[in-house]
Formats: sequence, structure tokens, C-alpha cells
Amino acid sequence: SQKIEQNSEALNIQEGKTATLTCNYTNYSPAYLQWYRQDPGRGPVFLLLIRENEKEKRKERLKVTFDTTLKQSLFHITASQPADSATYLCALDMGPGNQFYFGTGTSLTVIP
Amino acid sequence: DAGVIQSPRHEVTEMGQEVTLRCKPISGHNSLFWYRQTMMRGLELLIYFNNNVPIDDSGMPEDRFSAKMPNASFSTLKIQPSEPRDSAVYFCASSGLGSGTNTGELFFGEGSRLTVL
Repeated sequence: SQKIEQNSEALNIQEGKTATLTCNYTNYSPAYLQWYRQDPGRGPVFLLLIRENEKEKRKERLKVTFDTTLKQSLFHITASQPADSATYLCALDMGPGNQFYFGTGTSLTVIP
Repeated sequence: DAGVIQSPRHEVTEMGQEVTLRCKPISGHNSLFWYRQTMMRGLELLIYFNNNVPIDDSGMPEDRFSAKMPNASFSTLKIQPSEPRDSAVYFCASSGLGSGTNTGELFFGEGSRLTVL
């Protein structure tokens, strides 16, 4: 069965540094990989999507890479700010009908 | 647009009672998803509808769970009878996937927090 793992449950970094989050998957070859942000008590909010034929995608301070050989995506936040503190989730379309399955998430805390 | 609307936001009930959660997707979206989120298991996909038709319900945990989408603007998730282990936050999400206009972005509601005593 498919499995999606995110590198750690919690990540603490100093303001201004680059945060790097990892998403690894097994047993499937998704066409898309998405990243979401979730704040406490709220629903996830879409950030970025990367397709299997794309190596890298950028949006402002965010950068996502997608390595289909390693079955891994990296999510970077550069010049991190305390407002970036949240849980970040990766999601993959792992079903024939484009069902999206989520990783367990990584809680990021940016320390001022 | 008001986004995906879920109700109730909070529900506390006793074991054995029936629970109905409601969702209004974004107008024009043709895909609807129900997810359940817990600390232990994260965000789990329960069921996926496309054009009001259930496509994949393999994530529905047991026969106690059922979901319907009678029209494009309304869906329900029902648990009968409820059990304490059903306590979780239930999210509804919609997408324009398949309409040829989008990248599969999911728009989530704010969730329904269910506590079964």
C-alpha cells in the first residue's frame, strides 16, 4: 500500500534561516505532488503544486523540488519568519481518480 | 465566494448516537472529498465524489460510516452508531479537478470537530 512520510514531526529554526521539509513516498508514481499549510484549528491551505515532469517550482520565498527517482520532494522556505510557523503537509495523487493522500505533516516553528 | 462551508463546527455526542456532518462545496467544483484528521493517523481520505458520484470509498472505516452527495451543492457524512474512536476533526474539501481549468488544488472547509463520549 502507498505510504507518505514527512521527515520529522517538529522542526525548529531561527528566523531568517532556510527551513527544509522532506516528503518521501513509496509504492506509487504520482503525477502531482502538492504542499499545504495548516494553522491550528483551521483547514489546510494550498501552497504549491509540482508535476512529475517538473524538477523545481518556486513561489515567492517557497521552493519545491520533486525527484521521482528518489521518490522524494523537498519544500524550502527561505528567509523564514515567525509567521511561517505552522504545520506543512505534502499530498500526492495516488489513486486512479486523482484522490489526494496526505503525509502526517511537519510542525515548523520559526524562533524570533 | 464563501469557500467550502461545513457544519456543525463542533459536535459533542454520546456513544451510540447518530452524527450527521454537512458540507457545501465551492460552486462550480465537481469533486468533493471527505477527510478525517487525528493526531495519531493524520489526514485520512474517507471518500471521494466526482460529479456527485462516489468514486472511491475505500477509506471509509466501517459500515457505520456513510456519505451522500444528492446534488452538486451538498454532501453529508453520517456515522451511525457513533463510537468514542470516531472522535476527530472531519474535513470536507472540493476541487475543480477534471474540469480542465485547474491543477487539482483542494479547497478545505474549516472542519467539524467531533467528540464522542
